[in-house]
Amino acid sequence: KAGVTQTPRYLIKTRGQQVTLSCSPISGHRSVSWYQQTPGQGLQFLFEYFSETQRNKGNFPGRFSGRQFSNSRSEMNVSTLELGDSALYLCASAPEEALNTEAFFGQGTRLTVV
Amino acid sequence: LAKTTQPISMDSYEGQEVNITCSHNNIATNDYITWYQQFPSQGPRFIIQGYKTKVTNEVASLFIPADRKSSTLSLPRVSLSDTAVYYCLVGPYNQGGKLIFGQGTELSVKP
Repeated sequence: KAGVTQTPRYLIKTRGQQVTLSCSPISGHRSVSWYQQTPGQGLQFLFEYFSETQRNKGNFPGRFSGRQFSNSRSEMNVSTLELGDSALYLCASAPEEALNTEAFFGQGTRLTVV
Repeated sequence: LAKTTQPISMDSYEGQEVNITCSHNNIATNDYITWYQQFPSQGPRFIIQGYKTKVTNEVASLFIPADRKSSTLSLPRVSLSDTAVYYCLVGPYNQGGKLIFGQGTELSVKP
């Protein structure tokens, strides 16, 4: 079974631009979550989507948004990029029942804002 | 969600057993304890989960005392490839969609 796939792996953007990151979950998984990891703040939860609906949301500004498609693939968008948005963005998928706290993470997208 | 406290870093040598303790004094009755491992520039990987007493799998053991206010992740006979950051998470069951990570413990295994 293929793992969680995130594209692109690396991205360089200019301050003020917007960016879209993509995540394909493990086949059959309907929960997709996004996380931001920086050296200063660590791993922080952004939001979770389940069956095309945002089910949980972390404490991030409205510039961070996401969506999930009917095939469970998810995209995350960051508008008006700031230097502080430079981070590793991780996507994780979990089974529908989420019978435990096991989530499966992708390799991440390394975003650099210059 | 219960707050967790772990050592920021630990050093060990190959072949030794490593025990990483996590404090979670405010753990709730329906909270489970989960550990994740993360290598540089990779996503975290689930290691083990438990509710009470002891849980063992092919990778690690998890010891949880009766009061559940702490837990210990035990890695037997570590190798260089076990060098990683280890996170202790505490939260309700069925929480795979929203994980709250603490600072983690950076384990360095030396030859």
